[in-house]
Amino acid sequence: NAGVTQTPKFQVLKTGQSMTLQCAQDMNHEYMSWYRQDPGMGLRLIHYSVGAGITDQGEVPNGYNVSRSTTEDFPLRLLSAAPSQTSVYFCASSYLGLEETQYFGPGTRLLVL
Amino acid sequence: GNSVTQMEGPVTLSEEAFLTINCTYTATGYPSLFWYVQYPGEGLQLLLKATKADDKGSNKGFEATYRKETTSFHLEKGSVQVSDSAVYFCALSDQNTGGFKTIFGAGTRLFVKA
Repeated sequence: NAGVTQTPKFQVLKTGQSMTLQCAQDMNHEYMSWYRQDPGMGLRLIHYSVGAGITDQGEVPNGYNVSRSTTEDFPLRLLSAAPSQTSVYFCASSYLGLEETQYFGPGTRLLVL
Repeated sequence: GNSVTQMEGPVTLSEEAFLTINCTYTATGYPSLFWYVQYPGEGLQLLLKATKADDKGSNKGFEATYRKETTSFHLEKGSVQVSDSAVYFCALSDQNTGGFKTIFGAGTRLFVKA
């Protein structure tokens, strides 16, 4: 199993550009989520999904869109990048259930100039 | 709303010292509690978890007990090693209208000196 994969590893954008961060998992997990990690702030939930076709907002959803057309993939879209979106982004997946362990991807480091 | 508060770091210890990282939480329901660890340049990985009150999670010499009366889940290790240097995150998963959400604390960086 590849687990949770994320691409790209690193990206530089200019303000106003758009891009999609890719996330895929091969563990047949129903639950997938996106977090951003900023110094001193820990991980903050952006969006999450409990299954194909179902998404919901987390703590910090503004400026980001998601969709879940398959169980395996959960891309995160930045429509118009801003410097405040400079961060490290982690995708995670798990089976449904409060007690389930989340499995994290290696992260995407994004710099918006 | 739900929240997780953990002690600020960095925490610097000598090898074989005793470690405690405090974590307290607020939750509306009956959450599951987790400790995740992040080594440099990597994603988070589960260290241990507890799913109900008075449960003790343990792994690799680390322990934490789910204390509902004090809403705490403090992480302890009796003798740390240099290889334990990492960032430690306390987290909870709780029900919400859309299913469930996992909320993370801010993380505590641990440095262990040889």
